[in-house]
Amino acid sequence: AQSVTQPDIHITVSEGASLELRCNYSYGATPYLFWYVQSPGQGLQLLLKYFSGDTLVQGIKGFEAEFKRSQSSFNLRKPSVHWSDAAEYFCAVVPSGTYKYIFGTGTRLKVLA
Amino acid sequence: DGGITQSPKYLFRKEGQNVTLSCEQNLNHDAMYWYRQDPGQGLRLIYYSQIVNDFQKGDIAEGYSVSREKKESFPLTVTSAQKNPTAFYLCASSPSRGFTYNSPLHFGNGTRLTVT
Repeated sequence: AQSVTQPDIHITVSEGASLELRCNYSYGATPYLFWYVQSPGQGLQLLLKYFSGDTLVQGIKGFEAEFKRSQSSFNLRKPSVHWSDAAEYFCAVVPSGTYKYIFGTGTRLKVLA
Repeated sequence: DGGITQSPKYLFRKEGQNVTLSCEQNLNHDAMYWYRQDPGQGLRLIYYSQIVNDFQKGDIAEGYSVSREKKESFPLTVTSAQKNPTAFYLCASSPSRGFTYNSPLHFGNGTRLTVT
């Protein structure tokens, strides 16, 4: 079945440490790929997106994501986490030929001072 | 500033009552969406509308209804037929009908509905 998987429900990192949030998808063709961030009680904000070209994508707030076709993954990274990055992060895909966003179940990030 | 306004932020209702959630956008976007968010389940699509006076069911439309009489407005009614209505509801919009890579979703700040 087509799906988007975020295997980590919760992640805790210390401020200043590096971060990697995992996202895997199961679609035949490369879909459009997105990462969104949600602060508590708020809507979602787009961090970055990918469809083709350079497999390393830069986004806002110092985030980047790398597309790996062989692993069907689109992991989100940040070299040094700030306390304000504490939020929930959602990976989303739009399968080629459709316009329907499929969201993962989210990863909640906690940042320790 | 352009954006999506969802009101109210918190809504409480008794079981058996219908309730309507408001979503207004001043972004001049064609497409609008309603998502439901439950802990650990991500976002699930309830209804979407690509153009005024037209809308389609999403994955979990049962117990919900919508209208799109104006481009700016896409209200969602949670009916008494919805078995588990307590959730966080998010409205979103995008500039174009269909999907374009450079027109991702814009979200409102959500309405938390509690039904007791």
